[in-house]
Amino acid sequence: DQQVKQNSPSLSVQEGRISILNCDYTNSMFDYFLWYKKYPAEGPTFLISISSIKDKNEDGRFTVFLNKSAKHLSLHIVPSQPGDSAVYFCAASPTEYGNKLVFGAGTILRVKS
Amino acid sequence: GAGVSQSPRYKVAKRGQDVALRCDPISGHVSLFWYQQALGQGPEFLTYFQNEAQLDKSGLPSDRFFAERPEGSVSTLKIQRTQQEDSAVYLCASSLEGVGTNEKLFFGSGTQLSVL
Repeated sequence: DQQVKQNSPSLSVQEGRISILNCDYTNSMFDYFLWYKKYPAEGPTFLISISSIKDKNEDGRFTVFLNKSAKHLSLHIVPSQPGDSAVYFCAASPTEYGNKLVFGAGTILRVKS
Repeated sequence: GAGVSQSPRYKVAKRGQDVALRCDPISGHVSLFWYQQALGQGPEFLTYFQNEAQLDKSGLPSDRFFAERPEGSVSTLKIQRTQQEDSAVYLCASSLEGVGTNEKLFFGSGTQLSVL
């Protein structure tokens, strides 16, 4: 039973264009959402987060949008750069359990120069 | 070091062998987590420590898995009588505060375990 789903295993984008990575969740108790980025042979690193009281959070080139009614969130990267090529994991947790996170399977992003 | 350190980086074990995986969290971090990441999947929660107390071990797949953090810093994940299905990357993560604070996790590079 996958509570966090990333339905696109991979995405390829041209440098300078927008990358949009999507994530769906099923557990209505989830209250806090994060995106982690992972390079090969490294552990995941925190990218950006959003609480359910917001519908948007922005940090530089990265913006996360949350649609609670649809149980959907997305990560926008504008403009995309070759160094953004990595695996992106969506993660969620109920606030009560803070960082006991449930992860999606990840989306491989390739940014072509 | 400044980050979470895990050793060994790679471990090959014969089926039935016991293994021990080590995690050095960031100094002063209260919370420590172990996650298991199978090939092509996201990390899955195994267990959580707040200081030396193991507060949640609901994700451990069987009683062959055991974790400890006796002095509230370094942690060891032990797997007894390894099976092929134990092959995965084992990730350790730490955070400054306890669960419930939404503190971001800092992950180590993981130990890749291959059971033959």
